[in-house]
Amino acid sequence: DGGITQSPKYLFRKEGQNVTLSCEQNLNHDAMYWYRQDPGQGLRLIYYSQIVNDFQKGDIAEGYSVSREKKESFPLTVTSAQKNPTAFYLCASSTATGNQETQYFGPGTRLLVL
Amino acid sequence: GENVEQHPSTLSVQEGDSAVIKCTYSDSASNYFPWYKQELGKRPQLIIDIRSNVGEKKDQRIAVTLNKTAKHFSLHITETQPEDSAVYFCAASNAGTGRRALTFGSGTRLQVQP
Repeated sequence: DGGITQSPKYLFRKEGQNVTLSCEQNLNHDAMYWYRQDPGQGLRLIYYSQIVNDFQKGDIAEGYSVSREKKESFPLTVTSAQKNPTAFYLCASSTATGNQETQYFGPGTRLLVL
Repeated sequence: GENVEQHPSTLSVQEGDSAVIKCTYSDSASNYFPWYKQELGKRPQLIIDIRSNVGEKKDQRIAVTLNKTAKHFSLHITETQPEDSAVYFCAASNAGTGRRALTFGSGTRLQVQP
């Protein structure tokens, strides 16, 4: 998982502001994912993308948006419609062929609301 | 969709004892079951995984068992050490078709007492 980077490490959002979290991978993986982790809880899927220029909503997509214009990049925008955005955001990637489904995680971005 | 339940939520053992964490899943089509270890503030790290065509897999002190009929799988850690202390997550997905993203359990906080 050293091939997945996320930035910034910490991000502060003001009321009504949209913020974008970066995720880049150099593993040549087709699939990329965004998860949200709240304190003391498991990971919940926000969005995922199996291939460039295509993405699907996960279980908690409301208030978030993504794009997948390049294979190596999958940025997540937290919009002002997301009323409770404080969480630890984790990006992951995996191959999307056959049964090779191991997901590798980036180091995460901690988003805090001012 | 898939639902994964994980027990116990916390587990305290003495160094050298064994630890067992159990998960159940709801979607009989799930065929890939990884386990992740997450230390405080860090990314989840894959420690072992199992696919539905096998019933057990071992890697040194760690083993995972899968019962497809009962739809449950377990993580076994033998000869626990203080550095095993972390939060452990189980997950399930249907690798190969459809939605490949992982559905996570809620996590088990393992504390190994020296």
